Amino acid sequence: ILNVEQSPQSLHVQEGDSTNFTCSFPSSNFYALHWYRWETAKSPEALFVMTLNGDEKKKGRISATLNTKEGYSYLYIKGSQPEDSATYLCAWPMDSSYKLIFGSGTRLLVRP
Amino acid sequence: DGGITQSPKYLFRKEGQNVTLSCEQNLNHDAMYWYRQDPGQGLRLIYYSQIVNDFQKGDIAEGYSVSREKKESFPLTVTSAQKNPTAFYLCASSIDRSRADTQYFGPGTRLTVL
Repeated sequence: ILNVEQSPQSLHVQEGDSTNFTCSFPSSNFYALHWYRWETAKSPEALFVMTLNGDEKKKGRISATLNTKEGYSYLYIKGSQPEDSATYLCAWPMDSSYKLIFGSGTRLLVRP
Repeated sequence: DGGITQSPKYLFRKEGQNVTLSCEQNLNHDAMYWYRQDPGQGLRLIYYSQIVNDFQKGDIAEGYSVSREKKESFPLTVTSAQKNPTAFYLCASSIDRSRADTQYFGPGTRLTVL
């Protein structure tokens, strides 16, 4: 079964805490791994597209790592702020048809 | 401003009616997609189109139809054959057909069947 799983399903942290969550995907035939942030009442917004094993990408306080051999990616947020509250989605292109398989997301709530 | 627009934002439908959700993009993207989101689930692909006048079924195409007569437009019709149409619908587009291409999303349409 080709599935993308994210954990935890939800996370509540205090402002200033650092946090991380996981995306697991099939490790065979890897091509790319996408991370999106989806704030309430807004459109999902792309964070990163990762393509190389060992890749590490950074955008402000958010960074992501990739392990294609074992099929996981971590997203880290350093010093969480209330504006980081959102659902974080990862997606994996299944095959040459360019279809993205999305995980169900990690919902992050950062309390002031 | 370049982007993707979807209309309407909220849509109510009576059982047995067909409804069409609009999706327009001015990003000059070749590929467009329709997704459905249900509570607690990831986005599921309904249909996608890689080029004008061509489209393919996604994982949950039953009860839906699409057209791609213009590059910028990819409307989705929810037919009466769709057994559980109440959901949130997202349209997206990408520059090309590469698996590493970022998808850009519209604001979504929430459809409720009364």
